Amino acid sequence: AQRVTQPEKLLSVFKGAPVELKCNYSYSGSPELFWYVQYSRQRLQLLLRHISRESIKGFTADLNKGETSFHLKKPFAQEEDSAMYYCALYPNQGGKLIFGQGTELSVKP
Amino acid sequence: EPEVTQTPSHQVTQMGQEVILRCVPISNHLYFYWYRQILGQKVEFLVSFYNNEISEKSEIFDDQFSVERPDGSNFTLKIRSTKLEDSAMYFCASTRTVVGYEQYFGPGTRLTVT
Repeated sequence: AQRVTQPEKLLSVFKGAPVELKCNYSYSGSPELFWYVQYSRQRLQLLLRHISRESIKGFTADLNKGETSFHLKKPFAQEEDSAMYYCALYPNQGGKLIFGQGTELSVKP
Repeated sequence: EPEVTQTPSHQVTQMGQEVILRCVPISNHLYFYWYRQILGQKVEFLVSFYNNEISEKSEIFDDQFSVERPDGSNFTLKIRSTKLEDSAMYFCASTRTVVGYEQYFGPGTRLTVT
């Protein structure tokens, strides 16, 4: 079965603290994984994708095929990082994305 | 920067009525999608559309749903006879090519069925 699991509904940290948003996937093939972010009252937008191995707004994510994980990390959280974060799997079939439940990140001052 | 647009932003309808949700994808994009998100739940794929036909649809996308690209710019989702459980946020997305490329999402239409 193709599935994405984000175990935390809400993650609350203080400004400057490290952040790790967890994502695990279930997929038998070679996955393409993404993190999308939705700031308050804004649309879903791509944050990063594993194939590009880039860092956006200080966030990074490493694909770990052994643990079937794609956790999102940032060493020092900022208040403007507060948003909903969605991990998504592209199973190479017709272009659809399979989303996790989302994690709300709240960064307190 | 070009954006996907959706209208209306909020639609209230009575159970059993037909609704049409409209989307204008980014102009040079070729693949179009509808997703929905019931309050408190995950974003779920409904349907993908390419070359004027459905390329994939989910179990949710039953006979009550249809999609159309009536002209060169609009992409519509029609729900023929709405049910209470159709209340959700509906997102349109588009992408230039299907393989590994970013999907650009619209702001969503909140559908409330009473």
